[in-house]
Amino acid sequence: GNSVTQMEGPVTLSEEAFLTINCTYTATGYPSLFWYVQYPGEGLQLLLKATKADDKGSNKGFEATYRKETTSFHLEKGSVQVSDSAVYFCALREYTGNQFYFGTGTSLTVIP
Amino acid sequence: DAGVIQSPRHEVTEMGQEVTLRCKPISGHDYLFWYRQTMMRGLELLIYFNNNVPIDDSGMPEDRFSAKMPNASFSTLKIQPSEPRDSAVYFCASSPGIRTNSPLHFGNGTRLTVT
Repeated sequence: GNSVTQMEGPVTLSEEAFLTINCTYTATGYPSLFWYVQYPGEGLQLLLKATKADDKGSNKGFEATYRKETTSFHLEKGSVQVSDSAVYFCALREYTGNQFYFGTGTSLTVIP
Repeated sequence: DAGVIQSPRHEVTEMGQEVTLRCKPISGHDYLFWYRQTMMRGLELLIYFNNNVPIDDSGMPEDRFSAKMPNASFSTLKIQPSEPRDSAVYFCASSPGIRTNSPLHFGNGTRLTVT
């Protein structure tokens, strides 16, 4: 079956620190992988995506590389800001599938 | 592109009352999903539609919940009668069809409080 396992939170970092949020997946086919971000009081917004092995998705200084050999899609940012405080969700969608599979979310708080 | 539009943004009701949540998906999207989010259970898929037809409603908690999609631009999620444990944020999301690698697009949600 399909599933996404995400790093437990909450994560608290100082401004300008390096961020890594781990995500691993199980899929029976060839999934696309996504990171979503949810700010307080809002819906989930697409942050970045990668559709095949070795693709790197990037947006707003965040990056994630689709690693088929380790079935991982870790989210990274070199220097976080207070405005990055949010909940981050890793997700997958199989190319031939209808459904999306989400991780449990990782809460990030960045302190000045 | 106006995005997925949900209404109302907030709903407060008393136990036993009927609640109707509304959603307008992005034009051209074949799939529509209803999710519920709580602190305890996280993000749960309730039901999804393809071309206005319900495909999987196994996530609907019980018979008090029902969802319809009368046309490609409108869907409702109804709870009757509502209970305090239904308090949550309900999200609608839409996506183009399979074989597109397309992401899911979420609305801003309806925060439901049942007292």
